[in-house]
Amino acid sequence: GENVEQHPSTLSVQEGDSAVIKCTYSDSASNYFPWYKQELGKRPQLIIDIRSNVGEKKDQRIAVTLNKTAKHFSLHITETQPEDSAVYFCAASIKEGGADGLTFGKGTHLIIQP
Amino acid sequence: EPEVTQTPSHQVTQMGQEVILRCVPISNHLYFYWYRQILGQKVEFLVSFYNNEISEKSEIFDDQFSVERPDGSNFTLKIRSTKLEDSAMYFCASRRGLTRETQYFGPGTRLLVL
Repeated sequence: GENVEQHPSTLSVQEGDSAVIKCTYSDSASNYFPWYKQELGKRPQLIIDIRSNVGEKKDQRIAVTLNKTAKHFSLHITETQPEDSAVYFCAASIKEGGADGLTFGKGTHLIIQP
Repeated sequence: EPEVTQTPSHQVTQMGQEVILRCVPISNHLYFYWYRQILGQKVEFLVSFYNNEISEKSEIFDDQFSVERPDGSNFTLKIRSTKLEDSAMYFCASRRGLTRETQYFGPGTRLLVL
């Protein structure tokens, strides 16, 4: 089955700096890669996703890049703010079409230092 | 904006007891999922459900687990004989139905097995 590796496990950055979180996946058939943000005790919330037919997607301060050949994808957050502090999970879909469960990485605890 | 809802928010049970966790997916969604998250760990896929049958299940989803859509709105997860290691946050998710579309998570049910 699919395996998603995520690093770093903890990332501390100064407010206003950029943060980058990286993930790799094992199954070349995976074609959908969402990123979820989870605040303490809350549900995971989608912040951005990318499909395998594009290499990059941007939404304001958040961007995701995908390298299908290398099977890795990254989340980039620019001009970080205190409210960006949370755990971020990358995920990959297991198979094409139909109902597809997500395989998650282990998460990155992002800490924004004021 | 419609959201996935789950009840109860917390459940405490004795080992060996049966529990039923309830979810109301977003009304026009066709694909439903259960995930679990053991405290401090990543989100893990349990099962996906479409057209009144299981589409896919993980190795975690053994014979102790079952899912059902008893009516047009509820989606339930039953654990027949709970074990200590079933203690976790259980998230329901749903998605509308097109391939590779966003999964929306509910707020979760925190299950504690004593």
